[in-house]
Amino acid sequence: NAGVTQTPKFQVLKTGQSMTLQCAQDMNHEYMSWYRQDPGMGLRLIHYSVGAGITDQGEVPNGYNVSRSTTEDFPLRLLSAAPSQTSVYFCASSYLPGQGIREQYFGPGTRLTVT
Amino acid sequence: SQQGEEDPQALSIQEGENATMNCSYKTSINNLQWYRQNSGRGLVHLILIRSNEREKHSGRLRVTLDTSKKSSSLLITASRAADTASYFCATVMFSGGYNKLIFGAGTRLAVHP
Repeated sequence: NAGVTQTPKFQVLKTGQSMTLQCAQDMNHEYMSWYRQDPGMGLRLIHYSVGAGITDQGEVPNGYNVSRSTTEDFPLRLLSAAPSQTSVYFCASSYLPGQGIREQYFGPGTRLTVT
Repeated sequence: SQQGEEDPQALSIQEGENATMNCSYKTSINNLQWYRQNSGRGLVHLILIRSNEREKHSGRLRVTLDTSKKSSSLLITASRAADTASYFCATVMFSGGYNKLIFGAGTRLAVHP
């Protein structure tokens, strides 16, 4: 199993550009999520999904879109990049049994700089 | 603001000492999880404790949960230099029709040889 993979590892964007961060998992997990981590801080939830076709907003959704057309993939789209979106982005996935979210498996992260 | 808040923000100890980190949260939870992050890396799951459990052990880790006080603690016994990392608590909360996992700001632990 490759686990959770993210591409690209690094990205530099100019203000106003758009791009898509890719995330894929091969563990057949129902739950997938995107977080951003700013220096010296914890992770803030951007968007999450509980299954194909079902997504919802997290704590900081503005400026980001997601879709979940398959169980495996959960891309994050930046609509019009702003310097405030400079951060490290982590994708994670887990099982979603009836008793709640289980341990999350994290990807290696994407370091995004917006100039 | 974030659901979970860790205390202290930073902790510096010597090898062999115990390290205790605390987490407080605001709303009812389904379960609470602790993660570790080495510098520049992704997070790794350490332990999960359900809302109906009070204590859980895994190797040198001991986690307690007090739902009446909305708090949890992570104890690392006989710490090693390799335990140097940031530690985060995360709570599973039911909101808007779905469960979601919310992280705290973390505790930075430095273990000195």
